[in-house]
Amino acid sequence: GENVEQHPSTLSVQEGDSAVIKCTYSDSASNYFPWYKQELGKRPQLIIDIRSNVGEKKDQRIAVTLNKTAKHFSLHITETQPEDSAVYFCAASNGDSSASKIIFGSGTRLSIRP
Amino acid sequence: GAVVSQHPSWVICKSGTSVKIECRSLDFQATTMFWYRQFPKQSLMLMATSNEGSKATYEQGVEKDKFLINHASLTLSTLTVTSAHPEDSSFYICSALRGLAEAYEQYFGPGTRLTVT
Repeated sequence: GENVEQHPSTLSVQEGDSAVIKCTYSDSASNYFPWYKQELGKRPQLIIDIRSNVGEKKDQRIAVTLNKTAKHFSLHITETQPEDSAVYFCAASNGDSSASKIIFGSGTRLSIRP
Repeated sequence: GAVVSQHPSWVICKSGTSVKIECRSLDFQATTMFWYRQFPKQSLMLMATSNEGSKATYEQGVEKDKFLINHASLTLSTLTVTSAHPEDSSFYICSALRGLAEAYEQYFGPGTRLTVT
């Protein structure tokens, strides 16, 4: 089955700087890679996703890149703000299948220093 | 957007009792729902895939007789934790799969915090 590894587990950056979180996946059949932000005690919130027919996607301060060959994908947050502090999870799935279960990475706790 | 609800949002029960958690897709039909468990400061771990009208598919290491899943309609899946023990205390989150034009997307419920005393 699919295995998703994520690092770093914790990340502290100065407000205004960029943050990068990296993930790898094992199943070459995975073609959908969502990223979630989770605040304490709440559900994961989808912040951006990318499908395997695209190498990069950007939405304002957030961007995601995908390297299918290496089975790597990364989240980039620029101009970080205090409200970006949260736990971020990468995930992988086969988005074309009705049985497409999402497998999560272990999570990154991002802290933004004022 | 698609809305998924869970009930209850939190529950406290005594050791040895059973607890039922409901997951509902409010504005779309979901033939497939998923149940996750999240311990403090850990990731979401998939427990099982709930299929409408058929038996659930459990992930390795998850006891199907302890975590009973029933997906009786296209908008409702239930998870029953039987003979609960303190180690079952966790945050349980469901998600519902919605088919779109080109692919499928998952929508998460708000979660249920279970505390077993």
